[in-house]
Amino acid sequence: QSVLTQPPSVSGAPGQRVTISCTGTSSNIGAGYDVHWYQQLPGTAPKLLIYGNTHRPSGVPDRFSGSASDTSASLAITGLQAEDEATYYCQSYDSSLSEVFGGGTKLTVL
Amino acid sequence: QITLKESGPTLVKPTQTLTLTCTFSGFSLSTSGVGVGWIRQPPGKALEWLALIYWNDDKRYSPSLKSRLTITKDTSKNQVVLTMTNMDPVDTATYYCAHSHCTNGVCYGYWGQGTLVTVSS
Repeated sequence: QSVLTQPPSVSGAPGQRVTISCTGTSSNIGAGYDVHWYQQLPGTAPKLLIYGNTHRPSGVPDRFSGSASDTSASLAITGLQAEDEATYYCQSYDSSLSEVFGGGTKLTVL
Repeated sequence: QITLKESGPTLVKPTQTLTLTCTFSGFSLSTSGVGVGWIRQPPGKALEWLALIYWNDDKRYSPSLKSRLTITKDTSKNQVVLTMTNMDPVDTATYYCAHSHCTNGVCYGYWGQGTLVTVSS
């Protein structure tokens, strides 16, 4: 299993707000290492969604936001749209394992 | 704009060595802070980080795969090469290379399209 724990799936109706958690430990998120989030649409390469816990790359809608506290981080998506249906991954650094990804969370838009 | 593309064999036999090349454009791997990493994804499974090489030739490897991996760069050719020895069917995956230039730590802002490598006799 992954060092960073994500729920396997979340769902929400169009227009709703959903959050995806990424739970780590004192050797990664809890040690203050930044968390980054990626969106992977089916059959495509991942796309950077959030970097440095809270920052959005140019072109990413402000419906996407990130936060981090203690040993966990969260990705929030507001105003859910059908095009948001994808798998989301968190990534951070672990002092014993180097770069690590979460197990991924599949978002279903109902 | 920044682009990356992976190339290499689509099929390798167990015990063979896999060599993948990442050819990129739109940035220089001699620019301070820049890195190129490799990440793989078995079919239907999660992303797994493999290796990273920095502009200054600093190299990082996944501890679980370190003994099998070698990452090198050819700055003049804009290429990064990953070799993985002793391939096994469990190494069947899509292999991605990606560009990193984050202020703190490593984050991958640009990815190649990925190349599916199947390990089978």
